[in-house]
Amino acid sequence: QQPVQSPQAVILREGEDAVINCSSSKALYSVHWYRQKHGEAPVFLMILLKGGEQKGHEKISASFNEKKQQSSLYLTASQLSYSGTYFCGTANAGGTSYGKLTFGQGTILTVHP
Amino acid sequence: DAMVIQNPRYQVTQFGKPVTLSCSQTLNHNVMYWYQQKSSQAPKLLFHYYDKDFNNEADTPDNFQSRRPNTSFCFLDIRSPGLGDAAMYLCATSRTGGSQPQHFGDGTRLSIL
Repeated sequence: QQPVQSPQAVILREGEDAVINCSSSKALYSVHWYRQKHGEAPVFLMILLKGGEQKGHEKISASFNEKKQQSSLYLTASQLSYSGTYFCGTANAGGTSYGKLTFGQGTILTVHP
Repeated sequence: DAMVIQNPRYQVTQFGKPVTLSCSQTLNHNVMYWYQQKSSQAPKLLFHYYDKDFNNEADTPDNFQSRRPNTSFCFLDIRSPGLGDAAMYLCATSRTGGSQPQHFGDGTRLSIL
């Protein structure tokens, strides 16, 4: 089942912050975050595995809630290079799916000078 | 540098003429994935291999086949391409699965005349 991302699009000025959410109706094994620029391949940002986990580096971080049904990606002090489409990819709990991901519909982030 | 390489970057074929897309990896990863991505949509998993263990998604058309002759190479065969098969095809690899990131190739953009 496809996770739901919100918002669908965000427009920012450099230096502003944004939050992108990814929700599932079922508990997840993991959540992956990727950024894709137009005409390019998705680039891995981070994975969250544990309920309550938060990780990331200075300006891009993410959280995974205790029930493991929702994740949020936090972009702080945005830069022009952050522009692109952000996808969450979710792996379901249980089974032997070898990490196959179902991607959300994407959030288009545009950062203006 | 270790990487995922897709050839060709752009492929044009005629309606109904078989076409093969290739993917190679130097990461020595166990899992290889094929995704189809249409314009402004999320990547959609077609199938994946864990070593030689093949896993087909239920909604992948019969028109699409895959081969993985060895760890390094994986092929996507489209037996009779239709206009609806025009898309970006992305190959990705992962060391073992859901707790590991997926590394994407640059993709092959397929056009159907």
